[in-house]
Amino acid sequence: QVTLKESGPALVKITQTLTLTCTFSGFSLSTSGMRVSWIRQSPGKALEWLARIDWDDDKFYSTSLKTRLTISKDTSKNQVVLTMTNMDPVDTATYYCARMGVVYQHDYWGQGTLVTVSS
Amino acid sequence: QSVLTQPPSVSGAPGQRVTISCTGTSSNIGTGYDVHWYQHLPGTAPKLLIYSNTNRPSGVPDRFSGSKSGTSASLAITGLQAEDEADYYCQSYDSSLSGVVFGGGTRLTVL
Repeated sequence: QVTLKESGPALVKITQTLTLTCTFSGFSLSTSGMRVSWIRQSPGKALEWLARIDWDDDKFYSTSLKTRLTISKDTSKNQVVLTMTNMDPVDTATYYCARMGVVYQHDYWGQGTLVTVSS
Repeated sequence: QSVLTQPPSVSGAPGQRVTISCTGTSSNIGTGYDVHWYQHLPGTAPKLLIYSNTNRPSGVPDRFSGSKSGTSASLAITGLQAEDEADYYCQSYDSSLSGVVFGGGTRLTVL
């Protein structure tokens, strides 16, 4: 059974760095073909893909947020970590991690974690 | 402004058929990248509904079907039920952006 769960602060201040952790089970990110994405949804807006990390440690980022994002993995802990620098109120959103399958579909998702950016 | 274009809303009565379109460009759907569809109920995790244009994951009713042609894709829902009321998103890959792209989402209202 594949599960993913996001964790991190519910509230961050403007200009701070956000660190989110995705803890998963039911698969290994050291297995060929496995990938994990981070996706967010701001209130009233669409899903927005942020970043992805692959089993071979390849990393991919949203073009518009690339300079602010870092994704990493700890295979031994079954965790993927996303950091986002210089947080702004427009970054207020529910952040999801999701497993990405071989045809780039997101087949399993976490429940999401709401992050509010405030002064 | 999302890279993939969906209608903001669609509606239908119980039992009816509705379709949701997803229009892309030559750098995503038109290049041959697969289209995937998700159902998103408020406060829950998005659920994969259709993958690789036409395929249903195990457990998804056959009332849901997908198609793709050229630079567009469509999700069809037949036998509409109240529980289908949700937001629906299409997703593909964009070669010019080198990343995953989502549609703007479509809210389905069951009248």
